[in-house]
Amino acid sequence: GENVEQHPSTLSVQEGDSAVIKCTYSDSASNYFPWYKQELGKRPQLIIDIRSNVGEKKDQRIAVTLNKTAKHFSLHITETQPEDSAVYFCAPLSNFGNEKLTFGTGTRLTIIP
Amino acid sequence: GAVVSQHPSWVICKSGTSVKIECRSLDFQATTMFWYRQFPKQSLMLMATSNEGSKATYEQGVEKDKFLINHASLTLSTLTVTSAHPEDSSFYICSARQPVADQPQHFGDGTRLSIL
Repeated sequence: GENVEQHPSTLSVQEGDSAVIKCTYSDSASNYFPWYKQELGKRPQLIIDIRSNVGEKKDQRIAVTLNKTAKHFSLHITETQPEDSAVYFCAPLSNFGNEKLTFGTGTRLTIIP
Repeated sequence: GAVVSQHPSWVICKSGTSVKIECRSLDFQATTMFWYRQFPKQSLMLMATSNEGSKATYEQGVEKDKFLINHASLTLSTLTVTSAHPEDSSFYICSARQPVADQPQHFGDGTRLSIL
């Protein structure tokens, strides 16, 4: 099965600065790359995703970049705000129609006011 | 938009009790739903795939006789934790996807299960 790792496991960033989280996966057949945000005690929420035919996607302060050759993709958050504090998970998928998501190890992001 | 409802949101019960958790797709039909478990400060781990009208598919290491899954309709899947013990205490989350191309998975709000 898919082996998914995230780095770093914890990240503290001053408010207003940028945060980058990297996700490394093992299945070269992966073609869908989502990032989820999970606040304490709540469900994961999809914040951005990218398909394998695209190298980068941006949505306001959030962006995702993909390097299929190296089998990793990254989440970029700019102008961080206290409400960005949460745990972030990547969950690469090899078959979009078969939603057996394999979640990464998670990154706890703390925004320091 | 599409919403997945999960009930109850939390439950506390004694060891040996069986607990049922419901997962409903509110405005779409879901032939497939998924059940995840998340221990504190850990990632979500897929337990099983719930298939409407057929047996669930369990991931390796998940006891099918302990975690009973029933998907009797296109909008409802249930997970029953039988004879629950303290080690079963966890956050259980279901998800489903609209059977439409390019639609992402939607998660329920989760059920926090505490076994005393």
